[in-house]
Amino acid sequence: GAGVSQSPSNKVTEKGKDVELRCDPISGHTALYWYRQSLGQGLEFLIYFQGNSAPDKSGLPSDRFSAERTGGSVSTLTIQRTQQEDSAVYLCASSLVAGGTDTQYFGPGTRLTVL
Amino acid sequence: AQSVTQLGSHVSVSEGALVLLRCNYSSSVPPYLFWYVQYPNQGLQLLLKYTSAATLVKGINGFEAEFKKSETSFHLTKPSAHMSDAAEYFCAVSDGTNAGKSTFGDGTTLTVKP
Repeated sequence: GAGVSQSPSNKVTEKGKDVELRCDPISGHTALYWYRQSLGQGLEFLIYFQGNSAPDKSGLPSDRFSAERTGGSVSTLTIQRTQQEDSAVYLCASSLVAGGTDTQYFGPGTRLTVL
Repeated sequence: AQSVTQLGSHVSVSEGALVLLRCNYSSSVPPYLFWYVQYPNQGLQLLLKYTSAATLVKGINGFEAEFKKSETSFHLTKPSAHMSDAAEYFCAVSDGTNAGKSTFGDGTTLTVKP
């Protein structure tokens, strides 16, 4: 596709359930980023991938959060045993390469609501 | 460590008036600075970025921003607001050493009155 796509666009789940969020980056982009946007706040960095490896996992809030990327393309963010404070919009971005000046292209996000 | 402060969570201007959205940053190394716009129910879109070249950066949709090292600022301006400019705007800073990891401000919601 022409841009970054994310699925699902909305996800409502019950506390304690696991969820998987998917990101399809722009074709050919080697870097992929996950951010979280809580209501009324800016974006919080979660994790980034260069190819299939994740050099920086420092932003993951807890060990309930994990992410993987296979084939240098699609990435999945998994949240286990969801809590109400996990409710947020999860944004994915990709860039041609991982670098401080390279433009990141964002997907529309997945809105997660934990009841 | 780096941080971004956006002064004013909400800014309201009249159509045709000057738009000024303020951003101050803190960075221990020369920063790379970005402004993004987010329209309702859409992802973030890059407006412009500063990467240590010209201090006055021109972006899309008539926006520009000036990097002022002495003031640690990167304010976003547009001479004449359009109704279509109504959106949320985010300032972000990256130090370039962590492969694109950016720190974002809390955002400023711009309202344009007819």
